[in-house]
Amino acid sequence: DIQLTQSPLSLSASVGDRVTITCRASQSVDKDLNWYQQKPGKAPEPLIYGASTLESGVPPRFSASGSGTDFTLTISSLQREDFAIYYCQQSYNHPRTFGQGTRLDIK
Amino acid sequence: QVQLVQSGVEVKKSGASVKVSCRASGYTFSSFAINWVRQAPGQGLEWLGSIRANNIRTNSALKFQGRVFLTTDSSTNTAYMELRNLRFDDTAMYYCVREALDYDFATGLNHWYFDVWGPGTLVTVSS
Repeated sequence: DIQLTQSPLSLSASVGDRVTITCRASQSVDKDLNWYQQKPGKAPEPLIYGASTLESGVPPRFSASGSGTDFTLTISSLQREDFAIYYCQQSYNHPRTFGQGTRLDIK
Repeated sequence: QVQLVQSGVEVKKSGASVKVSCRASGYTFSSFAINWVRQAPGQGLEWLGSIRANNIRTNSALKFQGRVFLTTDSSTNTAYMELRNLRFDDTAMYYCVREALDYDFATGLNHWYFDVWGPGTLVTVSS
């Protein structure tokens, strides 16, 4: 199974900050890496797929990059509604696997 | 609009089975795989398995093989996840999730991702 390791696992930031979350795969997943946002009590929602493509309706302050084993998710200017948990997920092969999640809190 | 509607809360005894349903609407059911993902209280996301609507191809995580059974009913556009021999650590929110395929014309590559999530079904396993 492909293991995904996210860092940091928790992050405190302020509105307007720029934050970056990383996801490292235990083997190459090419560009088959996706990002999801989950808010309390809700199902996750897609943010990014194919390593760098924004899902429809996702604000452009979100961006992502990477290929192979190293990926990043960046939020350029945090808004209050961005405080949530972020997960990476690989769709390179089965079983599909997720990172542990990164909790983004308000400082 | 595309929607996945799941069955309601379940409370089961240890050793019992649970069957969660997921009714799809707003798209051609047979064109997409349905995946099942669970989340224990305060924990991360865990993939259980996936099934194509025609029941021909299924995949499941090794740890659940022999305990999880995925089926679909194309006449009602409904997917089912049955988990048998429940244990206390099976207590979790269970999500059904549609997996979409995006074709990248620039690279010629396909990218799969979970584009629509159901609201979740809480399964509690008690003694």
